[in-house]
Amino acid sequence: GENVEQHPSTLSVQEGDSAVIKCTYSDSASNYFPWYKQELGKRPQLIIDIRSNVGEKKDQRIAVTLNKTAKHFSLHITETQPEDSAVYFCAGIPGGYNKLIFGAGTRLAVHP
Amino acid sequence: EPEVTQTPSHQVTQMGQEVILRCVPISNHLYFYWYRQILGQKVEFLVSFYNNEISEKSEIFDDQFSVERPDGSNFTLKIRSTKLEDSAMYFCASSEWGLLSSGNTIYFGEGSWLTVV
Repeated sequence: GENVEQHPSTLSVQEGDSAVIKCTYSDSASNYFPWYKQELGKRPQLIIDIRSNVGEKKDQRIAVTLNKTAKHFSLHITETQPEDSAVYFCAGIPGGYNKLIFGAGTRLAVHP
Repeated sequence: EPEVTQTPSHQVTQMGQEVILRCVPISNHLYFYWYRQILGQKVEFLVSFYNNEISEKSEIFDDQFSVERPDGSNFTLKIRSTKLEDSAMYFCASSEWGLLSSGNTIYFGEGSWLTVV
């Protein structure tokens, strides 16, 4: 089955710096890779996703890149702000299955 | 914007008791899911449900767990005899089509926090 590895587990940056979180997946048939932001006690909220037919997608300060050959995808947050502080989860779908498998999460702290 | 709604938001129950968590998926969605998140850990898949039957389930979803859609709107998760280790946040989710469909995505409810004592 699909296995999604995420790192780092914690990330601390200064306001205005960039943050990068990386995930690797095992199932080469996976074709959908969402990123979720979860604030304390809240539900995971989709912030950006990418499908395997593109290599990069951007939405304002957030971008996701996908390398299908290497089986990894990354979340890039530029010009970080304190409100970006949260836990970020990557996820993947095992080929042929209708379920999201989540990474272990990255706790991002943005310091003013 | 349509939302997945869940009740109760919090429940405390004694070990061995039955618990039912309720969810109302987004109205035009056809696929429904339950996920679990133990405090401080990752979100774990439990079960997916389509066309009134389970389509996939994880190893966590053993005989103590069941799901049903009794009235065409509510989607419920039942834990027959709760254990201490069932304490977690339970998220319901729905999607309009299967996740493999292009452009489709999954929407989560606010969660039901279950504490087993």
